[in-house]
Amino acid sequence: GENVEQHPSTLSVQEGDSAVIKCTYSDSASNYFPWYKQELGKRPQLIIDIRSNVGEKKDQQIAVTLNKTAKHFSLHITETQPEDSAVYFCAAALRDNFNKFYFGSGTKLNVKP
Amino acid sequence: GAVVSQHPSRVICKSGTSVKIECRSLDFQATTMFWYRQFPKKSLMLMATSNEGSKATYEQGVEKDKFLINHASLTLSTLTVTSAHPEDSSFYICSARDPSSSYNEQFFGPGTRLTVL
Repeated sequence: GENVEQHPSTLSVQEGDSAVIKCTYSDSASNYFPWYKQELGKRPQLIIDIRSNVGEKKDQQIAVTLNKTAKHFSLHITETQPEDSAVYFCAAALRDNFNKFYFGSGTKLNVKP
Repeated sequence: GAVVSQHPSRVICKSGTSVKIECRSLDFQATTMFWYRQFPKKSLMLMATSNEGSKATYEQGVEKDKFLINHASLTLSTLTVTSAHPEDSSFYICSARDPSSSYNEQFFGPGTRLTVL
């Protein structure tokens, strides 16, 4: 099955700095890559996603890049704010396989004011 | 966005008892729901895919007789932890796909904290 690895496990940045989280996947057939944000005690919320036919996608302060050849994708958060502090999960999914998500291990982001 | 609810939010039970957790899609019909298990400070581990009107498909290593899943309607899936033991204590989260929503997005429930004494 699919194996998703995520790094780093924890990340501390100063407010206003950028944060980058990286993920790799093993199944070349995976074609959908969402990123979820989970605040303490709350449910995961989708923040951005990318499909395999796109190399980069941006939504305000967040962007995601995908390298299909290398099977890795990254989340970039610019101008971080304290409210960006949370655990971020990447996932890989295969559209035809009931859209099952396989999640990375998560990155705890701490934005220091 | 679409709303998914879970009930109960917390449950404490004695070892050997069974516990049922409900997952509901409130404003859409979900032909497919997913059940995850999350250990403290760990990732979401996919347990099984619940399909309306058919048997659930379980991920490798997940005991189907231990974790019974029923998806009797387009808005309800249930997970029953049978003969629960302390090692089953965990945070269980369901998610659902809204077929009318964007590509593959899954909407998550708020989770159920299970503690087995």
